[in-house]
Amino acid sequence: QKEVEQNSGPLSVPEGAIASLNCTYSDRGSQSFFWYRQYSGKSPELIMFIYSNGDKEDGRFTAQLNKASQYVSLLIRDSQPSDSATYLCAPGGAGGTSYGKLTFGQGTILTVHP
Amino acid sequence: GAVVSQHPSWVICKSGTSVKIECRSLDFQATTMFWYRQFPKQSLMLMATSNEGSKATYEQGVEKDKFLINHASLTLSTLTVTSAHPEDSSFYICSASTPQTQYFGPGTRLTVL
Repeated sequence: QKEVEQNSGPLSVPEGAIASLNCTYSDRGSQSFFWYRQYSGKSPELIMFIYSNGDKEDGRFTAQLNKASQYVSLLIRDSQPSDSATYLCAPGGAGGTSYGKLTFGQGTILTVHP
Repeated sequence: GAVVSQHPSWVICKSGTSVKIECRSLDFQATTMFWYRQFPKQSLMLMATSNEGSKATYEQGVEKDKFLINHASLTLSTLTVTSAHPEDSSFYICSASTPQTQYFGPGTRLTVL
């Protein structure tokens, strides 16, 4: 089992729809969870992070975390063509030598079509 | 968000030469920086963790003698690819860590001929 699993997609949604991106992770000790967006040829940029079970909203983005199920998701409301990118899920290290380290999933390619 | 810069943004070199890449945190101090490598259509692979004033910690399978990392100050880490070969051609990305998360530099695209 991979440490971080994401549906590679591509996920295609129409403009204005809700895009739902999912991620499961294997390390039960992970305490923090990050979503990054990466445009082709560019480096990742942070969208949001979540530490606690439940939902966290930031503008059009909502992250959902369920530690018992080892599952984290990202919802993008009112999707725009500019949201088309690869979305990377990254659980943070549990502690000790892993503190601060991120383990990236393979990413989900999202395409928002007009 | 915090700003991280990398220099150069791209470099082309001949096989056997060494290339140095700089990573700077511009508006904050980072005791820890990370170096990643990304091949086309693949995810980021962590190469090493760079801690200011101490030796870098390399991930399994990464040759520490080939990828030299120096973290001389709280705002600067360098990665030197020694005796580069075509298989080292990749997108190298650094990140600088705050207590909350990591912020990524824009990346350096290395092409070894």
